[in-house]
Amino acid sequence: QVQLVESGGGVVQPGRSLRLSCAASGFTFSNYGMHWVRQAPGKGLEWVADISYDGNNKHYADSVKGRFTISRDNPKNTLHLQMNSLRAEDTAVYYCAKDLGWILLRRAFDMWGQGTMVTVSS
Amino acid sequence: DIQMTQSPSSLSASVGDRVTITCRASQSISTYLNWYQQKPGKAPKLLISAASNLQSGVPSRFSGSGSGTDFTLTISSLQPEDFATYYCQQTYSTPRVTFGPGTKLEIK
Repeated sequence: QVQLVESGGGVVQPGRSLRLSCAASGFTFSNYGMHWVRQAPGKGLEWVADISYDGNNKHYADSVKGRFTISRDNPKNTLHLQMNSLRAEDTAVYYCAKDLGWILLRRAFDMWGQGTMVTVSS
Repeated sequence: DIQMTQSPSSLSASVGDRVTITCRASQSISTYLNWYQQKPGKAPKLLISAASNLQSGVPSRFSGSGSGTDFTLTISSLQPEDFATYYCQQTYSTPRVTFGPGTKLEIK
């Protein structure tokens, strides 16, 4: 079945880095855009970044632009989020999500991972 | 960015009730509007895309309508498993899509 499994979360000090990964299975990963969405404790959903099916196009929320980098490894069916210069306000559950659209991004998220918690604290 | 609001922010209802949740955009977004359901400790689930397209596997008691700035999610007859938080999401202003603040549906 379609499955997304995130890993790499944890507790990190402000200013440090962390790399999240998302392993995809059950669908043709290389045909779909992918996203990272986060949710701070007790708060709503915030889109973080997206990447096109081939990795050639990437977009970021203003809150993370210049600090976070999204990437993908299609032969390994894996999505990544490199997070640098982390801040307390980056504390959240980070979800990877599959785009609904085939090839073209529709930015509706039809499959989500279970999420990985990132806590930025000294 | 397009701002999304939802009303009510919370709602108490009983099994079998008909429930309507409203989502409003700060500018016209045509039908670029999706609805998600999230249960505590779980990832969100896409219910409806493009304002009214029910996703595969989602019960037919869920329906969506609207265009422009005003949208509704209706649950025709609440079931115990429907108690959750519901979010709307606009995808008109890409790539920076935004979510509404959520509506928490609780058991009366």
